[in-house]
Amino acid sequence: DGGITQSPKYLFRKEGQNVTLSCEQNLNHDAMYWYRQDPGQGLRLIYYSQIVNDFQKGDIAEGYSVSREKKESFPLTVTSAQKNPTAFYLCASTMGEDRAEAFFGQGTRLTVV
Amino acid sequence: SQQGEEDPQALSIQEGENATMNCSYKTSINNLQWYRQNSGRGLVHLILIRSNEREKHSGRLRVTLDTSKKSSSLLITASRAADTASYFCATPPRSNYQLIWGAGTKLIIKP
Repeated sequence: DGGITQSPKYLFRKEGQNVTLSCEQNLNHDAMYWYRQDPGQGLRLIYYSQIVNDFQKGDIAEGYSVSREKKESFPLTVTSAQKNPTAFYLCASTMGEDRAEAFFGQGTRLTVV
Repeated sequence: SQQGEEDPQALSIQEGENATMNCSYKTSINNLQWYRQNSGRGLVHLILIRSNEREKHSGRLRVTLDTSKKSSSLLITASRAADTASYFCATPPRSNYQLIWGAGTKLIIKP
């Protein structure tokens, strides 16, 4: 079955540590997105990528980095520069200019310990 | 990227009642989409309405779109406990590859 897989489901980060969240899709979608969601809040865009080897900053890119070396993969690194990284992170993908249906992973809950 | 607004922020109703939530947006659009998010999970696509449509149905869902007011509503009829979730609207702007999300409506169905 096609879909998006995020891993891990739960992640704990120590102060000053970089961590990488994985996002893989087998939907052959062109565009991929990373969102941050804080408790009881909506989605805030971190980065998005329309095609391989190209990505754009979203509204809250500071302290995060991404790569898009393969169409299927869009990993997100939360760097030590992100001062308040504890949140729920969602990866999504869409196909075509229409972006008619976004598919989401099940999310990664990151906690700073 | 969060230009959309939704109201109410929260809605609590009895099982069997109808639930209506609203979404407003700012840019011109080709389509508007509604999603559901169960607690601690990813979002799931519910229904899409195109800019040349005024109303669309899918099972117990009814979506309307008023492009002159830049607003949409989602009606869930005969609500069930399993409908308890947060509901978000999303619009793809013509200017880039983003999706603009509403702030969401938290719906609680009381048994």
